[in-house]
Amino acid sequence: DAKTTQPTSMDCAEGRAANLPCNHSTISGNEYVYWYRQIHSQGPQYIIHGLKNNETNEMASLIITEDRKSSTLILPHATLRDTAVYYCIVRAVNNDMRFGAGTRLTVKP
Amino acid sequence: GAVVSQHPSWVICKSGTSVKIECRSLDFQATTMFWYRQFPKQSLMLMATSNEGSKATYEQGVEKDKFLINHASLTLSTLTVTSAHPEDSSFYICSAKITRTFTEAFFGQGTRLTVV
Repeated sequence: DAKTTQPTSMDCAEGRAANLPCNHSTISGNEYVYWYRQIHSQGPQYIIHGLKNNETNEMASLIITEDRKSSTLILPHATLRDTAVYYCIVRAVNNDMRFGAGTRLTVKP
Repeated sequence: GAVVSQHPSWVICKSGTSVKIECRSLDFQATTMFWYRQFPKQSLMLMATSNEGSKATYEQGVEKDKFLINHASLTLSTLTVTSAHPEDSSFYICSAKITRTFTEAFFGQGTRLTVV
């Protein structure tokens, strides 16, 4: 699976949109982009995934660039409970889910 | 989303004893379950992949005789840490996928193991 690069940490003001970037320049055509988050001492929580089209659900939006070499996870109105480590994972269907270092997002009042 | 439950949430055991951790898919059948280990301030590391009815596939560097994995049914996988030592203290997390061509995986809440 392609490697991903994410910033180590980010801050966001409560109520504002949180935009978390992810670079995956070696992504191949059959690989999806997944986002999970992990709140302290809990198991990872699925957020969203996509192949090439932008996706939106009740939690977040996923914007994938046209060349698919990068993506952005958007939390439209961040709350304090969104403070977590966010993982961007690129993988093909049927491959294992492997985690990188992720981005530690801190939402501040 | 689908629910994956781990038990126990935390356990303390004496060095040299064995500990079993259960992972259950509560509302779906999981053909494959994954076991991860996470040390403090580090990311999740995949330990092994468990397929129902067959032997688990272990990642390089993970001792299969120490971390026994059983996936006897489509809703239950167990991880047994045998002859536990303090260095085995960690956060163990399982995940499960619904079908053979799955999209997202669902994770348990994790088990905090402390070996004293």
